[in-house]
Amino acid sequence: DAGVTQSPTHLIKTRGQQVTLRCSPKSGHDTVSWYQQALGQGPQFIFQYYEEEERQRGNFPDRFSGHQFPNYSSELNVNALLLGDSALYLCASSLVLAGGGADTQYFGPGTRLTVL
Amino acid sequence: AQSVTQLGSHVSVSEGALVLLRCNYSSSVPPYLFWYVQYPNQGLQLLLKYTSAATLVKGINGFEAEFKKSETSFHLTKPSAHMSDAAEYFCAVSDIVRGAQKLVFGQGTRLTINP
Repeated sequence: DAGVTQSPTHLIKTRGQQVTLRCSPKSGHDTVSWYQQALGQGPQFIFQYYEEEERQRGNFPDRFSGHQFPNYSSELNVNALLLGDSALYLCASSLVLAGGGADTQYFGPGTRLTVL
Repeated sequence: AQSVTQLGSHVSVSEGALVLLRCNYSSSVPPYLFWYVQYPNQGLQLLLKYTSAATLVKGINGFEAEFKKSETSFHLTKPSAHMSDAAEYFCAVSDIVRGAQKLVFGQGTRLTINP
């Protein structure tokens, strides 16, 4: 059973460029969340996708956008890259529980983005 | 808003000694709490979670955590440290808004094991 996969593993971009990161959720999961982890920090929530809609968004500018496809995979796009966007970008997948409650999020290995 | 505070950014113990990593939470509703571990250059792996069942939660790799409402704490322990436990540990609380759950993480605690 494949876990959460992300691509690419590493990426180097220059300021002002655009980047697209990809995530495939764990088999059977329908929800994808994206987090940004700066060096030495805990992950920060960017947004969550469910049923191809953005369900909730963290405190990130509109330069950060995303998409979820019918097969539940997801993309994170960042436009007009800044030096401060350098971080590990983590994707987490989960399954919405019918009765509510805490769904467990399973994380992928991350994409290390370096902006020069 | 929900938040967590991890006391101690670095903890160092000897191999075989008790591991204690501290986490305090702030939540306006009964919380769901998680501990994750991150090895160098890897993603986060779930150690254990508290979802209002038993207050003592057992996880993988011999770790456990106890939910104490009176102290708003969810400390992580392991009776005997192993060299392979060296990693970064994150405590997280679930924040559910309009049915969507996000995790709010602490700053992390780096655990070092001395031989």
